[in-house]
Amino acid sequence: DQQVKQNSPSLSVQEGRISILNCDYTNSMFDYFLWYKKYPAEGPTFLISISSIKDKNEDGRFTVFLNKSAKHLSLHIVPSQPGDSAVYFCAASDSGGSNYKLTFGKGTLLTVNP
Amino acid sequence: DVKVTQSSRYLVKRTGEKVFLECVQDMDHENMFWYRQDPGLGLRLIYFSYDVKMKEKGDIPEGYSVSREKKERFSLILESASTNQTSMYLCASSPWGLIAYNEQFFGPGTRLTVL
Repeated sequence: DQQVKQNSPSLSVQEGRISILNCDYTNSMFDYFLWYKKYPAEGPTFLISISSIKDKNEDGRFTVFLNKSAKHLSLHIVPSQPGDSAVYFCAASDSGGSNYKLTFGKGTLLTVNP
Repeated sequence: DVKVTQSSRYLVKRTGEKVFLECVQDMDHENMFWYRQDPGLGLRLIYFSYDVKMKEKGDIPEGYSVSREKKERFSLILESASTNQTSMYLCASSPWGLIAYNEQFFGPGTRLTVL
């Protein structure tokens, strides 16, 4: 039972354009969401997060949008740069439940072409 | 600069061997985690520790055990390695608090191959 879904295994965009990575979740108890970026042969690094009390969080070129009614979040990267090419993981947690646990999606490979 | 290090980047073992994967963090974090990453499956939590000598099972603990004798060190043990344990193993740590809200810091990973 996959509670966090990233339905696009890969995405390719041109440098300077917007990248939109999508994530859906099924567990209505999830109230905190994170995005991690992973380069090959490196561990994931934290990118940005959002609490369920917000619908948007911005950090430089990165913005995460949360639509609770649709159980959907998206990561926008504007403008995209070749160095953004990596696997992006969406993660979610239920602070009232097993609050140690992050549930990760399967990841989306983003390729930004020069 | 925060640092999580793992003892080996690449490891090749034979079926039935006992395997130790070591993880050390220098951030004085209370919480430490072991995940495995497999193509098409994302990151799955194997075990978690929120204090020295404390541990909790994650989603896929079968075939694994852990040890946390010191705060900075968290070991993953494969008692009898099997080919289906061939994977990328990632260690992470996070500070005390409401863990769900805490960023987890990951090590570079250990690529384990079991022949």
